[in-house]
Amino acid sequence: AQSVTQPDIHITVSEGASLELRCNYSYGATPYLFWYVQSPGQGLQLLLKYFSGDTLVQGIKGFEAEFKRSQSSFNLRKPSVHWSDAAEYFCAVGAKEYGNKLVFGAGTILRVKS
Amino acid sequence: DTGVSQNPRHKITKRGQNVTFRCDPISEHNRLYWYRQTLGQGPEFLTYFQNEAQLEKSRLLSDRFSAERPKGSFSTLEIQRTEQGDSAMYLCASSASWSYNEQFFGPGTRLTVL
Repeated sequence: AQSVTQPDIHITVSEGASLELRCNYSYGATPYLFWYVQSPGQGLQLLLKYFSGDTLVQGIKGFEAEFKRSQSSFNLRKPSVHWSDAAEYFCAVGAKEYGNKLVFGAGTILRVKS
Repeated sequence: DTGVSQNPRHKITKRGQNVTFRCDPISEHNRLYWYRQTLGQGPEFLTYFQNEAQLEKSRLLSDRFSAERPKGSFSTLEIQRTEQGDSAMYLCASSASWSYNEQFFGPGTRLTVL
C-alpha cells in the first residue's frame, strides 16, 4: 500500500532561521511528489513538484525540496523563514499506476516565532 | 482563470438530512477529484473523474455518497442521510491529464453535521 509519513506534527522556528520539513514515502512505482501548504480554513496551495530529472526542485515563496530515491524522501527546505510562512504543510505522492489519486501525509504545522 | 471554486463554503445540517456540494474546476482541466479532510489529518481521496466518467472510487465512499460530473465540467457531491462522522472539509481538485497529475485545489466546503 502507498503511504506518506511526515514525522513531525509540529515544528517551531524563529523568524529568519532555516527550515526543513521531512517527508518519507512508501510506493511501489515511480512517484510524482508534491508539497502543498494550507492556511487555516483554506484549500491547499501547490508549493512545488517533482516528476523527473534534477532531484533538487525550486518552488514558490523561496521553498525548495530534494528527492532522494535511496532514502525514499522528499524533504522541504527554506533558508530563511518569514512569519507569513506559518501554516500547515502536506507532502503528497501520486503515480499513474495508482490511478492518479494523491496520497497525503498527516501534515506538519509550522509555527514561526518572532 | 479564477481557479477551482467550491460552493457552499460552509454547510451546517442536522443528522439525517441530505446535502449537495458543487465544484467548478479550472476550465481546461479534464480531471476532477474529491477528497475529504478531517481535523489533524491530510486529505483522503474519495473519487475522481476524467471528463464525465467516474474512474475510481475509494472504499471511504459509502453508498450514502454519490458524485456526478454530467457534462465533464462542474461536479456535485451528494451525501444522503448525513451522520455526525461526515463532518469534515470536502476538497475538490482538478488537473489536466497531460500534466503529470499536478492537482489544483479549491477552498473546500466545511460540513458540520449536528
